[in-house]
Amino acid sequence: GEDVEQSLFLSVREGDSSVINCTYTDSSSTYLYWYKQEPGAGLQLLTYIFSNMDMKQDQRLTVLLNKKDKHLSLRIADTQTGDSAIYFCAEMDSSYKLIFGSGTRLLVRP
Amino acid sequence: DAGVIQSPRHEVTEMGQEVTLRCKPISGHDYLFWYRQTMMRGLELLIYFNNNVPIDDSGMPEDRFSAKMPNASFSTLKIQPSEPRDSAVYFCASSPKRGKNTGELFFGEGSRLTVL
Repeated sequence: GEDVEQSLFLSVREGDSSVINCTYTDSSSTYLYWYKQEPGAGLQLLTYIFSNMDMKQDQRLTVLLNKKDKHLSLRIADTQTGDSAIYFCAEMDSSYKLIFGSGTRLLVRP
Repeated sequence: DAGVIQSPRHEVTEMGQEVTLRCKPISGHDYLFWYRQTMMRGLELLIYFNNNVPIDDSGMPEDRFSAKMPNASFSTLKIQPSEPRDSAVYFCASSPKRGKNTGELFFGEGSRLTVL
């Protein structure tokens, strides 16, 4: 079945760039997503990329998609303490379900 | 516009008791999803509905779990009887009609269940 994998933890210093990586298995995924979860809250969509794109930039966020390797990354430029959260990668499978990774906990040190 | 509304936000109950979690999706959304989040298993899809009809319940762990959607604005997830291993945060999410959107899910704030 489909599987989405992420590293569990990332720690960076305030002002540095953060890069969160994800691999997925379903090559037919139409959209791939990055969600953010702050403590005690639900998930919120950060950004998404259509499968025919290689890159998408949205202010401090850059998403890179390598379809050949089934690899997705999220880069956060000038990381702030408010960016500390859990980041989930997700793919949409052929039956319109979103399959989420286990989440990467980002800790931003002052 | 109100987002997805879940209740209760927190529930503490004893093993064997019935638990009912409630969800009000965003008005006009055709899809409703129930997810469970635990440290061990991450975010698991339990069941989802399209136009109030259950489409895929393969993620429902056992017969103790049941979900209903009697109308477009309300869904319940019931656990009877509850067990300590059911302790988790349960999220409801809704999504507009496919083909008119990017598949984005709108999540509620979750119901944190603790079964003693």
